[in-house]
Amino acid sequence: GAGVSQSPSNKVTEKGKDVELRCDPISGHTALYWYRQRLGQGLEFLIYFQGNSAPDKSGLPSDRFSAERTGESVSTLTIQRTQQEDSAVYLCASSYGLAGVTYEQYFGPGTRLTVT
Amino acid sequence: AQSVAQPEDQVNVAEGNPLTVKCTYSVSGNPYLFWYVQYPNRGLQFLLKYITGDNLVKGSYGFEAEFNKSQTSFHLKKPSALVSDSALYFCAVRAPGYSSASKIIFGSGTRLSIRP
Repeated sequence: GAGVSQSPSNKVTEKGKDVELRCDPISGHTALYWYRQRLGQGLEFLIYFQGNSAPDKSGLPSDRFSAERTGESVSTLTIQRTQQEDSAVYLCASSYGLAGVTYEQYFGPGTRLTVT
Repeated sequence: AQSVAQPEDQVNVAEGNPLTVKCTYSVSGNPYLFWYVQYPNRGLQFLLKYITGDNLVKGSYGFEAEFNKSQTSFHLKKPSALVSDSALYFCAVRAPGYSSASKIIFGSGTRLSIRP
């Protein structure tokens, strides 16, 4: 079946503009994560959605960052007033999240954001 | 709060020799532990996970990992390294439970380089 998809694959934007990144998780996956990976660096947790629970937003670096998810489908990550330090690859992952069971994550190919 | 550490930025091993990539964690309760690999210009791929049971977990591509509760470690191992194993490896941990607080977080990554 189809994997996790993200769009756009690449985004170049000017400093100060807003950008919206999209993630389509695998159908049936209740858990969805956003991570940020700067060049040559590790994965920085941003936000986690699990079913109908309130999302864990503890990783969002500033109030310029926000994310939404409708039900168990598409998620969008919005960055307002982009800064050069926002340049990174933004990764989305989804997994099953049944109570008492932990499944591995499936990652999308990422969106490479470049802020000029 | 949960955390995971990969103390080595880079590990260099000769082809055919055994390899170890280290990971330690901190979490309340029994952890769920994962290893992922990121090949150049490719997305993150799941290697293996520990949820419960046998402390030695076997995964993809001949890799295995040993869960050591007393040392809070989950080191990745392979008996005989291949040049094709050269990649960036990430350890990840999740606290038990079924809520938005039980997010998966990643270590900073270890770059594994296998020389012919």
